[in-house]
Amino acid sequence: DIQMTQSPSSLSASVGDRLTITCRASQSISTYLNWYQQKPGKAPNLLIYAASSLQSGVPSRFSGSGSGTDFTLTISSLQPEDFATYYCQQSYSTPPTFGQGTNLEIK
Amino acid sequence: QVQLQESGPGLVKPSETLSLTCTVSGGSISSYYWNWIRQSPGKGLEWIGNIYYSGSTNYSPSLKSRVTISLDTSKNQFSLKLSSVTAADTAVYYCARGLHSSSWYLVGYWGQGTQVTVSS
Repeated sequence: DIQMTQSPSSLSASVGDRLTITCRASQSISTYLNWYQQKPGKAPNLLIYAASSLQSGVPSRFSGSGSGTDFTLTISSLQPEDFATYYCQQSYSTPPTFGQGTNLEIK
Repeated sequence: QVQLQESGPGLVKPSETLSLTCTVSGGSISSYYWNWIRQSPGKGLEWIGNIYYSGSTNYSPSLKSRVTISLDTSKNQFSLKLSSVTAADTAVYYCARGLHSSSWYLVGYWGQGTQVTVSS
């Protein structure tokens, strides 16, 4: 299985901050990398797919980049509703695997 | 907008079979890959398997020997059976749909999830 490693595991930030979350794959996955946001008690919600494509309805302050093994999710200006847990996922090979999550908390 | 809803027992005894059904509304189950994914505090998000509208299936190698996913197009439903469950199978189980009709593993739409606990 391809292992996905996110950093940091947790992060404290303030409204208006710009932040970046990193995801590293244990082998090259081209751009088969997706980002999800999950709030407590809810299902994950797709934000970014194919490394950099913004899912319909997702605010433009979210962006993604990377290819091969290293990827980033950037939030340009944090809003109160952005405090949640973020997961990366590779959809390159079977089984698709998820990172362990990055918990974003309010500072 | 497609909506998915899981249903099934919330409590299953060890060694028995976990059975869940996902009902799809707001769209046909024809086309797309239909997935089961689970989430537990210990293992995080774990993909279980999926089924294409044609009936072809893909399973996680670690669960393959215990998993069956099936489709009922007449009811717009698909189902999960996981046999010989243990406490390690306790999790929130999600059904989900591929984002595009060609999306094997890119999940675009999720059900709300259902908690399943394995305990005697």
